[in-house]
Amino acid sequence: ELKVEQNPLFLSMQEGKNYTIYCNYSTTSDRLYWYRQDPGKSLESLFVLLSNGAVKQEGRLMASLDTKARLSTLHITAAVHDLSATYFCAATTSGTYKYIFGTGTRLKVLA
Amino acid sequence: EPEVTQTPSHQVTQMGQEVILRCVPISNHLYFYWYRQILGQKVEFLVSFYNNEISEKSEIFDDQFSVERPDGSNFTLKIRSTKLEDSAMYFCASLAGRGLGELFFGEGSRLTVL
Repeated sequence: ELKVEQNPLFLSMQEGKNYTIYCNYSTTSDRLYWYRQDPGKSLESLFVLLSNGAVKQEGRLMASLDTKARLSTLHITAAVHDLSATYFCAATTSGTYKYIFGTGTRLKVLA
Repeated sequence: EPEVTQTPSHQVTQMGQEVILRCVPISNHLYFYWYRQILGQKVEFLVSFYNNEISEKSEIFDDQFSVERPDGSNFTLKIRSTKLEDSAMYFCASLAGRGLGELFFGEGSRLTVL
């Protein structure tokens, strides 16, 4: 069964710094998704990565996918306080429509 | 912009009572989901629904749970006899179905079982 893990689980960083969140998944998956969740709120879609080598960027966030390594990364450039949230990756097993979410990374950006 | 709506936003119930959580998915979407999140922790898959039947379900989705789409717009999750451990945020999501795009989530229904 597909398992999705993220690290780190918690990340506290200074404004202006760069950091990367990692998402590993256990079985073949051809799609990878990143979501953001603010405290007490719903999940907001950030990126959809559809193929090996896919890279998407939006503002200070950049996501990439390596299907051979079963790894996706979410890179944060020059963090700002507004990026404080929990970030989840999700993957689907080939041939199914079952989205499995990772453990989540709680990011806190300190001013 | 189309959105997924859920009601109620918060429900408090006594252990053993039946609860129905309601969702209106985005019009023309084909796949519907329920997820559960306990206290801001992991987002757990419960069930997916397509073409008026369950397509997949998790181990969590036991006989106490059921889903239906009674009228072509609402999508409901019923918990027959609630337990303390059912206390969680329940999120409904829908998927257009044309390829594996992103799920669109509702704002969630917080269930508190006393």
